[in-house]
Amino acid sequence: QKEVEQDPGPLSVPEGAIVSLNCTYSNSAFQYFMWYRQYSRKGPELLMYTYSSGNKEDGRFTAQVDKSSKYISLFIRDSQPSDSATYLCAMGASGGSYIPTFGRGTSLIVHP
Amino acid sequence: DSGVTQTPKHLITATGQRVTLRCSPRSGDLSVYWYQQSLDQGLQFLIQYYNGEERAKGNILERFSAQQFPDLHSELNLSSLELGDSALYFCASSATGSMNTEAFFGQGTRLTVV
Repeated sequence: QKEVEQDPGPLSVPEGAIVSLNCTYSNSAFQYFMWYRQYSRKGPELLMYTYSSGNKEDGRFTAQVDKSSKYISLFIRDSQPSDSATYLCAMGASGGSYIPTFGRGTSLIVHP
Repeated sequence: DSGVTQTPKHLITATGQRVTLRCSPRSGDLSVYWYQQSLDQGLQFLIQYYNGEERAKGNILERFSAQQFPDLHSELNLSSLELGDSALYFCASSATGSMNTEAFFGQGTRLTVV
């Protein structure tokens, strides 16, 4: 079992839809939970990070962490064609290595 | 623009050859991280340097090596190249020694080994 699991998709939705992207993990030591967006042929860009459990909102994006279920989500409201990209989750522990473990990414397509 | 500069953008070379990828971190960032991204493996951490010193090592092959110079730019050297080394190579930087809260990726170098 991989430490971080993420469905590669593609996930295709109509413009304006609410998108839910998810990752599961197995390492209980993870405390930092990050979401990156990667456009085709570009480098990943950090969208937001959450420490420990709970929700965090930034504009149309909401990150949610459920540590009891080892499950994290990224919700995108009012999705736009410009949101079409690959979304990678990443998780890191507090101590020891400060290098996060990345999921494989979910490809999202928002069609007009 | 993340502020992290990688050169070259594209590289095509033959098996057995050696190449050098270069990364200039964001101004003021002390940490540089190297990643390899391929379709079947996803984003794989290779190595981290912090203020000139090696800080963490991931799945980096012995044929690969890196260094960070006094001006904080970094180079990733790939030698005895194999077809399987074809991938996107990313550099990221952060102000601290951790990627857990902040990191900025460059645009990557696409390496094709033929």
